Amino acid sequence: AQSVTQPDIHITVSEGASLELRCNYSYGATPYLFWYVQSPGQGLQLLLKYFSGDTLVQGIKGFEAEFKRSQSSFNLRKPSVHWSDAAEYFCAVAPNNAGNMLTFGGGTRLMVKP
Amino acid sequence: EPEVTQTPSHQVTQMGQEVILRCVPISNHLYFYWYRQILGQKVEFLVSFYNNEISEKSEIFDDQFSVERPDGSNFTLKIRSTKLEDSAMYFCASTKLGPNEKLFFGSGTQLSVL
Repeated sequence: AQSVTQPDIHITVSEGASLELRCNYSYGATPYLFWYVQSPGQGLQLLLKYFSGDTLVQGIKGFEAEFKRSQSSFNLRKPSVHWSDAAEYFCAVAPNNAGNMLTFGGGTRLMVKP
Repeated sequence: EPEVTQTPSHQVTQMGQEVILRCVPISNHLYFYWYRQILGQKVEFLVSFYNNEISEKSEIFDDQFSVERPDGSNFTLKIRSTKLEDSAMYFCASTKLGPNEKLFFGSGTQLSVL
């Protein structure tokens, strides 16, 4: 069965600092990979996804993620964090023949210091 | 951007009661999903629905659960006899064309079973 691990439950960064959120997955083949963000009172919003091709994926709001097959990782990065980025971030995987049967990680709550 | 709408945002029910959670997917979308998140746990896939049939369902989606598209706009999740452990945030989602399309999530219904 597939699984997703987000090792960091909480992360605090200063505004303007760089950010990296970690995600590791376990799956027999290369899955589809996703990052979602959830702000308070909001639904889950897709930041970016990887299906195939270029392993560095650009998303919305200045985020990017890099798929590293050898490390089974799909870490999310942003070069300069804004206060509005404070939210909960979820990594997710899906089988590549059922791209919306997502298995989510436990989430990382990002706090941004002024 | 178009939105998936869920009502109510918070529902309280007594154990053993039936509850119906309502969702209005984006109007031209064809694939519909329910996910849930128990407090402190991961977001979990429940069911996918297409062409008036369940496409996939998880182990969580037992005989107590059912889904329906009663008209051209609503997509409902019914829990026949609620249990305490059904307390969770329930997210509806939809995609336009297929299982590998971008999932649009609603903001969720928080179900509290007392």
